[in-house]
Amino acid sequence: AQSVTQLGSHVSVSEGALVLLRCNYSSSVPPYLFWYVQYPNQGLQLLLKYTSAATLVKGINGFEAEFKKSETSFHLTKPSAHMSDAAEYFCAVSEGGADGLTFGKGTHLIIQP
Amino acid sequence: EAQVTQNPRYLITVTGKKLTVTCSQNMNHEYMSWYRQDPGLGLRQIYYSMNVEVTDKGDVPEGYKVSRKEKRNFPLILESPSPNQTSLYFCASSLSRENTIYFGEGSWLTVV
Repeated sequence: AQSVTQLGSHVSVSEGALVLLRCNYSSSVPPYLFWYVQYPNQGLQLLLKYTSAATLVKGINGFEAEFKKSETSFHLTKPSAHMSDAAEYFCAVSEGGADGLTFGKGTHLIIQP
Repeated sequence: EAQVTQNPRYLITVTGKKLTVTCSQNMNHEYMSWYRQDPGLGLRQIYYSMNVEVTDKGDVPEGYKVSRKEKRNFPLILESPSPNQTSLYFCASSLSRENTIYFGEGSWLTVV
């Protein structure tokens, strides 16, 4: 069965600093991996996805994530945080089966001025 | 514009009073699903549907019903709501299980 673990329910970084949000997954088959962002009082928006092509995936708003099979990780990074990046971030995994997406519990990103 | 539309966006109701949250997508997607989002628990899947007249339970189906009579609509039904169903609900759709999932804007439901 697929599962996702996001390390850190809250992450705080200074504006301009590196953003690193951690995601580890468990899957019995090669997975599809996603990062979604949720801004306050809004729905979920896809940031990026990995579907077995390039292991380094670039998404919107300057975010990227690297799929590392040996570490079963799909960490999300951004070189320089902006105040507008403050939001809830969800990592999700799918095995392509009928179960659909399994989400992590989310990481709340706080940007300090 | 491609979108998933949920209604109502906000609702306060009383225990035991049946309610329906509608969901409609205009992308001709086959796969639709419902999630609930609770603090500290992330999103959990309630029900999903792979096509018209095909529905299956997700991780937390108790207390909910769904139907898929038309491809574009996937309503979520709470026959007898209880306070533990107070949550933020999201409807989602995708072309298939492997494709990008599009989410509605969410429905805040409070059961008192």
